[in-house]
Amino acid sequence: DQQVKQNSPSLSVQEGRISILNCDYTNSMFDYFLWYKKYPAEGPTFLISISSIKDKNEDGRFTVFLNKSAKHLSLHIVPSQPGDSAVYFCAASDPQKLVFGQGTRLTINP
Amino acid sequence: EPEVTQTPSHQVTQMGQEVILRCVPISNHLYFYWYRQILGQKVEFLVSFYNNEISEKSEIFDDQFSVERPDGSNFTLKIRSTKLEDSAMYFCASRAGTGGQPQHFGDGTRLSIL
Repeated sequence: DQQVKQNSPSLSVQEGRISILNCDYTNSMFDYFLWYKKYPAEGPTFLISISSIKDKNEDGRFTVFLNKSAKHLSLHIVPSQPGDSAVYFCAASDPQKLVFGQGTRLTINP
Repeated sequence: EPEVTQTPSHQVTQMGQEVILRCVPISNHLYFYWYRQILGQKVEFLVSFYNNEISEKSEIFDDQFSVERPDGSNFTLKIRSTKLEDSAMYFCASRAGTGGQPQHFGDGTRLSIL
């Protein structure tokens, strides 16, 4: 099942710079897209979401962009902080269930 | 901030035994879910539950699995006869409503089948 794909297993960014995490999907019927952050030994924590009818949503340091024609979304974190180091999951709402990507491990370097 | 609580954090069980994983969703939430993550793989949907019945289930959720909301606070996942391949992290989630309301996850139960 490759409906939601995160092609980068890891990303390393310097503190204070922008982190960009990417996600691709294949199903045009997804109604919402969400980003979750996960620390070891904890469950996924909701970060930000976007409706399929929007192209941008912003919440503080986090912005999600949706490109429906490319079936692509991205999460921008700016400025990146050491506490942002975690695994980030892209998820699509189907709509009753969430379909997850494989995750991207983000490491913020001082 | 309200949170989803799961117990136990780690469960070790012999193959063929029954296991019950417990969850206390956020109190005013109406929709409940179970997901699992096998080591090194994606988080996978198992089942959704609303208004005291299953609303959707995946192919993984076969006759060996069942869910129950026995009272106003708990939500349980039962595996009747565990297999080695059931070893995974099991996450419970809940959400207040539909229309973009996010699912909130517990910290999971690590199930190890010997």
